[in-house]
Amino acid sequence: SQTIHQWPATLVQPVGSPLSLECTVEGTSNPNLYWYRQAAGRGLQLLFYSVGIGQISSEVPQNLSASRPQDRQFILSSKKLLLSDSGFYLCAWRTPSIGRNNSPLHFGNGTRLTVT
Amino acid sequence: DAKTTQPTSMDCAEGRAANLPCNHSTISGNEYVYWYRQIHSQGPQYIIHGLKNNETNEMASLIITEDRKSSTLILPHATLRDTAVYYCIVRVATGETSGSRLTFGEGTQLTVNP
Repeated sequence: SQTIHQWPATLVQPVGSPLSLECTVEGTSNPNLYWYRQAAGRGLQLLFYSVGIGQISSEVPQNLSASRPQDRQFILSSKKLLLSDSGFYLCAWRTPSIGRNNSPLHFGNGTRLTVT
Repeated sequence: DAKTTQPTSMDCAEGRAANLPCNHSTISGNEYVYWYRQIHSQGPQYIIHGLKNNETNEMASLIITEDRKSSTLILPHATLRDTAVYYCIVRVATGETSGSRLTFGEGTQLTVNP
């Protein structure tokens, strides 16, 4: 069965420090991968998605970047954190398809980031 | 995407069936109904989805009315671990970005009592 691992679970970082959050998926090949940020009101904001190694699409301009160095590895990074980067970050994957895709997203357990 | 309406909260006795309703009266013909749940401080967990027919998996059953304007998620034997916020989402099966923009509303806080 497929599993998704995301770490760390919680992180407290000072303003201006770098960030690296890692996500790995097991049990599937060539998954579509996603980074979301969840706001306090439970809305999910899509930050980045990737349909293959080295391919990254950014949804919103921001202080963050993403990379996919391996098929099942997705990394969220920042060179210098801002206070506004605090939040709950979620990694997700789903089965790829050509054209219409109704396969569901599967989420990791998230990282609670607090920038102080 | 069609808007959904769910009750704010529900209670259920442990071992009994939990029936969570969702109204999506503006749903269009190519929109799927998805259910997720989220336990506090964890990521959303996919439960089930369907288009027209009723669906069942190891977690739950999804009953969609014939006019598709509402649906019910059924947890047949609720346990204390089923206590969570349950989200009903209507989503078109399209390409990558639009199909991935999940909008979670307030959902239903289900509390399973011993």
